[in-house]
Amino acid sequence: DAKTTQPPSMDCAEGRAANLPCNHSTISGNEYVYWYRQIHSQGPQYIIHGLKNNETNEMASLIITEDRKSSTLILPHATLRDTAVYYCIVKSRQAAGNKLTFGGGTRVLVKP
Amino acid sequence: DTEVTQTPKHLVMGMTNKKSLKCEQHMGHRAMYWYKQKAKKPPELMFVYSYEKLSINESVPSRFSPECPNSSLLNLHLHALQPEDSALYLCASSHREEGTEAFFGQGTRLTVV
Repeated sequence: DAKTTQPPSMDCAEGRAANLPCNHSTISGNEYVYWYRQIHSQGPQYIIHGLKNNETNEMASLIITEDRKSSTLILPHATLRDTAVYYCIVKSRQAAGNKLTFGGGTRVLVKP
Repeated sequence: DTEVTQTPKHLVMGMTNKKSLKCEQHMGHRAMYWYKQKAKKPPELMFVYSYEKLSINESVPSRFSPECPNSSLLNLHLHALQPEDSALYLCASSHREEGTEAFFGQGTRLTVV
């Protein structure tokens, strides 16, 4: 699976959009980009994933560049409950399902 | 029901004890996983089960013994652990098809004394 690079930490203001970047320059054509987050002392929570097109759901939007070498997770209106570690994961098709390799993630602190 | 339930939530065990962690899901997922997470580190994959058969063992020591008795249950049997095995143990499940998401339980926080 391709490796990802994320900033170790970032702050954002409550009510503003949070834009979380992820670099995955070695991604191959059949690899998906997944985002999970982990709130302190809880299990990781799925946010969104995509292959080529931009995606949006009730939690967030995922913008993938045309060359697929980077992506941005957008939390449209950050709340204090969005404080968490956010993991960008690139995952290839695995015969055994969803083997996820977590990197260091970005520790996001939402401030009032 | 989109929950993965892990029991117990907390466990303290001695180095000579035998204990088991349990994980249950009723989403019809046929892939189940154990992850280990040390403090301030990302989760690390330990085992993957696919159709109740062990398909991936990430070189985990034999003092950790997984078991998948049926499609809804996953156990992790612990024996002769070391203090450095203290961690948060996370269970997850998913469909096997590509492009689907994994659901995680809240974990069992294990302390080995």
